Amino acid sequence: DSGVTQTPKHLITATGQRVTLRCSPRSGDLSVYWYQQSLDQGLQFLIQYYNGEERAKGNILERFSAQQFPDLHSELNLSSLELGDSALYFCASSAYGATNEKLFFGSGTQLSVL
Amino acid sequence: AQSVSQHNHHVILSEAASLELGCNYSYGGTVNLFWYVQYPGQHLQLLLKYFSGDPLVKGIKGFEAEFIKSKFSFNLRKPSVQWSDTAEYFCAVSPNNAGNMLTFGGGTRLMVKP
Repeated sequence: DSGVTQTPKHLITATGQRVTLRCSPRSGDLSVYWYQQSLDQGLQFLIQYYNGEERAKGNILERFSAQQFPDLHSELNLSSLELGDSALYFCASSAYGATNEKLFFGSGTQLSVL
Repeated sequence: AQSVSQHNHHVILSEAASLELGCNYSYGGTVNLFWYVQYPGQHLQLLLKYFSGDPLVKGIKGFEAEFIKSKFSFNLRKPSVQWSDTAEYFCAVSPNNAGNMLTFGGGTRLMVKP
């Protein structure tokens, strides 16, 4: 068990809908990362937060947004969903978001857009 | 932007065989290099990492990787695989000044036959 909790584990929705994925980092970790794993794009970095502030942004679509709350949990919001958004969304956490830190990954949320 | 290539998508080996998984990256600057493993039904976890120093890095479970700067490679090796090594292996890089913003390769699925 990595200590990173993601809910829900599975999510099935329709095109055009909006969903929220939740991530609770390991106890004490201040930095949270979101990654998307799809068959065609592989594992892609989406966004990083540190102590409530956005720190780095990767290949995240404008229809997607994220935030980190005072209790350090994070939510990834996906709106106007398209078929191509179907993927496994991973959250990871680390202590301070520094380069030499180990990332701890959650088990992911499998999103299916029908 | 950096990219990572893993040339072997699927590898099947018998127990006790030697393993080498290829990883090549493209990036003009200094990078940090990682291998992550995902066992069936489990979360991604770090196998080993290279930041600087000795280019031969030893990780958990008998794995090692060698950074060859001139070839932009970071191949993963294990002298004798076990059935329990069946998993998907991901190579990843992050620019030296980019925190933990990892770029992953497409992954290699390893099946070890007992």
